Amino acid sequence: GQSLEQPSEVTAVEGAIVQINCTYQTSGFYGLSWYQQHDGGAPTFLSYNALDGLEETGRFSSFLSRSDSYGYLLLQELQMKDSASYFCAVRPDNNAGNMLTFGGGTRLMVKP
Amino acid sequence: DAGVIQSPRHEVTEMGQEVTLRCKPISGHDYLFWYRQTMMRGLELLIYFNNNVPIDDSGMPEDRFSAKMPNASFSTLKIQPSEPRDSAVYFCASSLPAKRNEQYFGPGTRLTVT
Repeated sequence: GQSLEQPSEVTAVEGAIVQINCTYQTSGFYGLSWYQQHDGGAPTFLSYNALDGLEETGRFSSFLSRSDSYGYLLLQELQMKDSASYFCAVRPDNNAGNMLTFGGGTRLMVKP
Repeated sequence: DAGVIQSPRHEVTEMGQEVTLRCKPISGHDYLFWYRQTMMRGLELLIYFNNNVPIDDSGMPEDRFSAKMPNASFSTLKIQPSEPRDSAVYFCASSLPAKRNEQYFGPGTRLTVT
């Protein structure tokens, strides 16, 4: 099965950099995805790491290390609108390979 | 593209009543997923379809829940009879076959069963 762990809550200041970690226990998977969800909204896709290393998309970057069973989402130049929940997710490389398993989510609060 | 469309956005019903949630996926997306989100259990996959065919319904909590996809542009999730513990936000999502890690979620239906 798959198990993903994230911190439940992170607080940071506007303009700062924050890293949201995701550790996982899974026998095999295609890659690590990140989703953002604002309060009252729907999850929206942010990034996907199929391979180890860093993927950068504007102020957001995502990192994966399969050997360490670890990934993170890095948010730079934080803005108030970045206050949201962030979920990591994996898609296993087995018969359930069409289904995403989501972590419990990290609630990010950006303060002025 | 209008994105994934769900209706209704809010539903309040009494215990024992039938509830039907509706979803229109993004055109061209062959995969359709139904999720339920609660504070206690997080985001859970209930069932998913590929080319209108149900592939895995192992997440459906019990027989009171059923889902159909009669064509490529429409799916329903039905709860009959509804119970207070079914109160949650239900999301529909769709994806392209080659990008199953990238799912597009609808705005969700907030269901309250009293």
